[in-house]
Amino acid sequence: EDQVTQSPEALRLQEGESSSLNCSYTVSGLRGLFWYRQDPGKGPEFLFTLYSAGEEKEKERLKATLTKKESFLHITAPKPEDSATYLCAVQALDTGRRALTFGSGTRLQVQP
Amino acid sequence: SAVISQKPSRDICQRGTSLTIQCQVDSQVTMMFWYRQQPGQSLTLIATANQGSEATYESGFVIDKFPISRPNLTFSTLTVSNMSPEDSSIYLCSVEWVAGGREQYFGPGTRLTVT
Repeated sequence: EDQVTQSPEALRLQEGESSSLNCSYTVSGLRGLFWYRQDPGKGPEFLFTLYSAGEEKEKERLKATLTKKESFLHITAPKPEDSATYLCAVQALDTGRRALTFGSGTRLQVQP
Repeated sequence: SAVISQKPSRDICQRGTSLTIQCQVDSQVTMMFWYRQQPGQSLTLIATANQGSEATYESGFVIDKFPISRPNLTFSTLTVSNMSPEDSSIYLCSVEWVAGGREQYFGPGTRLTVT
């Protein structure tokens, strides 16, 4: 059974204080690892998909990296508008199964 | 990217009634999914809906409770039947966007409260 564990559950940062969110996963074969941002009352907003160990992707202050067991979402010099819940999900290589298995998320609060 | 809309955005329903949630995509997609997000929780897959075939349900979800239609490549509905307060959740549809490298995009969600 595919499993995704995110840590920490909650993180409070001062504006400009860089940090990383962790996503550990167990999957029989990884097709892709997805990162989403979710604001209260809204659907998840797609950020990145990573497909193979060593891959990195960047978007503004966010950079996602992938190893064979975990992924990190690095936030550089965050701003208050980066406050949100960040969700990690995996897609397995099982034929026909394209849905995602999600972690429980990290709630990020960036204080001015 | 795919743009997804859902109707209604929220509803308050009485116990024992049913609600049908609509999901509309601005492009043709093969794979559509329905998820549930209970208060303070992460997303749980209800079913996968492919056009032209029966929906595939996850363990713990049954067709009698959550019937799904997928009449074409841009539209799907999820019905929550015989509702109880435990069905109060946010219901989300998502699509796999093949043109974008198989990214998956979500709709804004339907917030359901059952009294």
